[in-house]
Amino acid sequence: NAGVTQTPKFQVLKTGQSMTLQCAQDMNHEYMSWYRQDPGMGLRLIHYSVGAGITDQGEVPNGYNVSRSTTEDFPLRLLSAAPSQTSVYFCASKRGLGYGYTFGSGTRLTVV
Amino acid sequence: KNEVEQSPQNLTAQEGEFITINCSYSVGISALHWLQQHPGGGIVSLFMLSSGKKKHGRLIATINIQEKHSSLHITASHPRDSAVYICAVAMDSNYQLIWGAGTKLIIKP
Repeated sequence: NAGVTQTPKFQVLKTGQSMTLQCAQDMNHEYMSWYRQDPGMGLRLIHYSVGAGITDQGEVPNGYNVSRSTTEDFPLRLLSAAPSQTSVYFCASKRGLGYGYTFGSGTRLTVV
Repeated sequence: KNEVEQSPQNLTAQEGEFITINCSYSVGISALHWLQQHPGGGIVSLFMLSSGKKKHGRLIATINIQEKHSSLHITASHPRDSAVYICAVAMDSNYQLIWGAGTKLIIKP
């Protein structure tokens, strides 16, 4: 039981490049979400999904796309990377309302 | 005004001390979460509370819904407890969380 797996762990992008951060969970959790964590700030929600085929925007969705074609996977796409997207990104999942969260180990992204 | 306030922001204590971290919030909630972020960056969910008190090992979490306040206690603290402790609240019927800024705890041997 791997929990929540995020790849890659580290990434450096040039401004304007696109890439996909991968998130997969093997716990059959219905809820998945992406957060970014910047120094001195709390985690901020980017996008979330309450089930396959359902996604919604969080607090800071601009510049990011998501899809949820399966229960297991919830990739986060950066369309055209900007230095302001330099951050640590966390994927989290939970079984449903009333349950705690399981976090991935994070992806440290630097945009130069 | 932040909707979730944690105190203190930073806390340094000696091994063995009893630790209390506080979380106050200003919105109606369905649940409150306590999480731990290790120095290496990983985040672990410690507790989810909607009322009363929960205990896991040396960790105790309490919540007072009327006063909109929660506390996380660590008994017999140990250097391995050094981490950032984060409080987050879930609003009614909503998966989304409002996050506190975290409390950085350092336990010295």
